[in-house]
Amino acid sequence: KAGVTQTPRYLIKTRGQQVTLSCSPISGHRSVSWYQQTPGQGLQFLFEYFSETQRNKGNFPGRFSGRQFSNSRSEMNVSTLELGDSALYLCASSLRPGQGAYEQYFGPGTRLTVT
Amino acid sequence: QKEVEQDPGPLSVPEGAIVSLNCTYSNSAFQYFMWYRQYSRKGPELLMYTYSSGNKEDGRFTAQVDKSSKYISLFIRDSQPSDSATYLCAMSDTGGFKTIFGAGTRLFVKA
Repeated sequence: KAGVTQTPRYLIKTRGQQVTLSCSPISGHRSVSWYQQTPGQGLQFLFEYFSETQRNKGNFPGRFSGRQFSNSRSEMNVSTLELGDSALYLCASSLRPGQGAYEQYFGPGTRLTVT
Repeated sequence: QKEVEQDPGPLSVPEGAIVSLNCTYSNSAFQYFMWYRQYSRKGPELLMYTYSSGNKEDGRFTAQVDKSSKYISLFIRDSQPSDSATYLCAMSDTGGFKTIFGAGTRLFVKA
């Protein structure tokens, strides 16, 4: 069974631009969560989607948004990029929502560098 | 005080050693406990997943949860250089709607 895939793997953007990252969950998994990982803050939860609805949201500004499609694929968007947005963005999928209640599997991540 | 505390290391051990990795937490609502392994430039890989207290064993890996002490551990027996990675603990409340990750412990196993 194929794992979680994320595209692109690497991205370089300049401040003020916007970026869209894509995630395809494991087949049959309907819940997708997004995380930001930085050396200073570790792994921080952004949001979770299930059945095209945002079920849960972390403490990030409104510049960070996401959506989920009917095939469970998900995208996240960051507008007006700031230098501090440079991070590894990870997507994780699980059978159902409630990140901890069901085993969650991560993708390889998208490394975003903002210059 | 962070909800989940994990010593970032680094922890360096010789090949074949028993490794003990630990996390403490403050939220008594946590019911699900996970350990992830993350290699450099890769996403975290789920190693162990346990519910409530007790032990769980999978090959060379053993996870222990002591809810009375709010303390979880991951033991790696007969450690190998391929075990060199960052190990992240994570825990979630009953509904699974809030998952908090530890900072991760960097482990180096020397051949």
